[in-house]
Amino acid sequence: EAGVAQSPRYKIIEKRQSVAFWCNPISGHATLYWYQQILGQGPKLLIQFQNNGVVDDSQLPKDRFSAERLKGVDSTLKIQPAKLEDSAVYLCASSPGTSGSISNEQFFGPGTRLTVL
Amino acid sequence: AQSVAQPEDQVNVAEGNPLTVKCTYSVSGNPYLFWYVQYPNRGLQFLLKYITGDNLVKGSYGFEAEFNKSQTSFHLKKPSALVSDSALYFCAVRDINGGFKTIFGAGTRLFVKA
Repeated sequence: EAGVAQSPRYKIIEKRQSVAFWCNPISGHATLYWYQQILGQGPKLLIQFQNNGVVDDSQLPKDRFSAERLKGVDSTLKIQPAKLEDSAVYLCASSPGTSGSISNEQFFGPGTRLTVL
Repeated sequence: AQSVAQPEDQVNVAEGNPLTVKCTYSVSGNPYLFWYVQYPNRGLQFLLKYITGDNLVKGSYGFEAEFNKSQTSFHLKKPSALVSDSALYFCAVRDINGGFKTIFGAGTRLFVKA
């Protein structure tokens, strides 16, 4: 079974530039998550999708971050414009079943390491 | 509000010795508890979870965890550590009252010395 795919693996940009990350979840997984992991901290949920609908985006900085999951499969996360404090690893994860399946574990991709200069 | 605490930034143990990585949590409802491991330059991998039932949960790679409701703890354990267990370990919690959001602890780095 193929895992969660993410690209790119690394990205270096200057502040005020824009950047986009792509995620392809495990086939058949209805729920998709984007996390931000700052060095020395645990992952923080940015947005959670159930198929192509948003379940939770309460911690997404909506003035600069956006995400979509067209057709309920792969997803993109965009930052525009980037700030220095956005330097982090962006993790994508997926899980089977619905968001109501609170007991399901998540399957994580390798992450995208973003450096904002 | 949900919260997770991992009181130790780093745990050092000799190979062959038992290891414990501590986790305490705070939720308003019944907790769903998870442990994940992160190896360098790789995403998090699921180790084990507690949903209900037996307080001792067994997971991947010989790890187990004990749920203690009175102490609101979910410590990760392994009877005999391996050098290859050296990694970053995260405890996580969900509960119905917190919606479907997973809250992760800050992580504990485990270093196993040969």
